[in-house]
Amino acid sequence: KNQVEQSPQSLIILEGKNCTLQCNYTVSPFSNLRWYKQDTGRGPVSLTIMTFSENTKSNGRYTATLDADTKQSSLHITASQLSDSASYICVVTWGGGGNKLTFGTGTQLKVEL
Amino acid sequence: DTGVSQDPRHKITKRGQNVTFRCDPISEHNRLYWYRQTLGQGPEFLTYFQNEAQLEKSRLLSDRFSAERPKGSFSTLEIQRTEQGDSAMYLCASSLARLHRGKRGNTIYFGEGSWLTVV
Repeated sequence: KNQVEQSPQSLIILEGKNCTLQCNYTVSPFSNLRWYKQDTGRGPVSLTIMTFSENTKSNGRYTATLDADTKQSSLHITASQLSDSASYICVVTWGGGGNKLTFGTGTQLKVEL
Repeated sequence: DTGVSQDPRHKITKRGQNVTFRCDPISEHNRLYWYRQTLGQGPEFLTYFQNEAQLEKSRLLSDRFSAERPKGSFSTLEIQRTEQGDSAMYLCASSLARLHRGKRGNTIYFGEGSWLTVV
């Protein structure tokens, strides 16, 4: 069964600190892996996309890594800000046409003063 | 480019009534997706269009749900005889399929969602 699991389920950190979110997946055939940020009550916003051959992708203070062998990905947030408080969702795209998406349940991040 | 637009943003309806949501994807995006999301959960796939063709429907999409994309542009999602369990946020997303017209792009853009509350 195609699954995407994220950890931790929730996380609280102080402003300015770094954090790393984890994503493990069992999806085949793999097409790409995406990280989204979703503010409460809003639609998800794309942060990064990585294909099989990409190990790392950065977007500002966000850096995603992908290990296709172990089927693991991480999202590292540097120098966190209050506005980073949101749900971070790992999404794996699969299928021959890359049109099938499996979502993780997300990591709820809260950044505090 | 104004992004993916969804309308209405919020809808409260009585059980048994019909509701319809509209999604306007990013122009030239040939793929359009509908998802349903409840609090604390990730989005669940409902259905997917490539141009005007509905290529896949989830088993979650009961016979009370119907989606259309008649001209390959905007899409509608109708829920008939709503039930309290239908209360959720309905998300629409669009993307440009790879190498379409020579352009490579597979970012999937989501709308802000349409919140449905069935009372």
